[in-house]
Amino acid sequence: NAGVTQTPKFRILKIGQSMTLQCTQDMNHNYMYWYRQDPGMGLKLIYYSVGAGITDKGEVPNGYNVSRSTTEDFPLRLELAAPSQTSVYFCASITGVNTEAFFGQGTRLTVV
Amino acid sequence: QQQVKQSPQSLIVQKGGISIINCAYENTAFDYFPWYQQFPGKGPALLIAIRPDVSEKKEGRFTISFNKSAKQFSLHIMDSQPGDSATYFCAASIMDSNYQLIWGAGTKLIIKP
Repeated sequence: NAGVTQTPKFRILKIGQSMTLQCTQDMNHNYMYWYRQDPGMGLKLIYYSVGAGITDKGEVPNGYNVSRSTTEDFPLRLELAAPSQTSVYFCASITGVNTEAFFGQGTRLTVV
Repeated sequence: QQQVKQSPQSLIVQKGGISIINCAYENTAFDYFPWYQQFPGKGPALLIAIRPDVSEKKEGRFTISFNKSAKQFSLHIMDSQPGDSATYFCAASIMDSNYQLIWGAGTKLIIKP
């Protein structure tokens, strides 16, 4: 099984540009999450979804948007990239039957 | 009240020694406490987890100790090995709250051969 797949692995953006971070899971999990990880700060929740068509804000949603048109896909959109969005982004999913979160390998984003 | 405080930030342990990482929380509604292990360039992966109805859970060399009255829980790694060198995160969640995990800041563990 592929599990949770994120693309791209690395990206450099210029200030003001936009991009979409892709996340796909093949485990039929209902719950999906986007986190950002900054050094010494743990993981901060950006957005989450409890199922197709349902999304909600997490702790740090400003500057991001998400959609969940299918169970498998949960893309994260950055509009007008800012240096403060330089981070490593992780997508995760949970089945909802048990509580283990499965993570993708991350996207390292640098905004210059 | 939603915070989980993790210490130390970094830890160096000799091979064969015991590694201990501590976490503290405020929200008494938390009812699930996992530990995740992260290697460089990878996403976190579940290592071991505990519910507040038990005081200890052991899986191989890894043990979670849980003190409900003190609102603290800790990870003990016995006979630490160089392959255990990684960043460890504690977390907490409320099971009925969309499984949202509140994360500690992480501990970078280095096991010296």
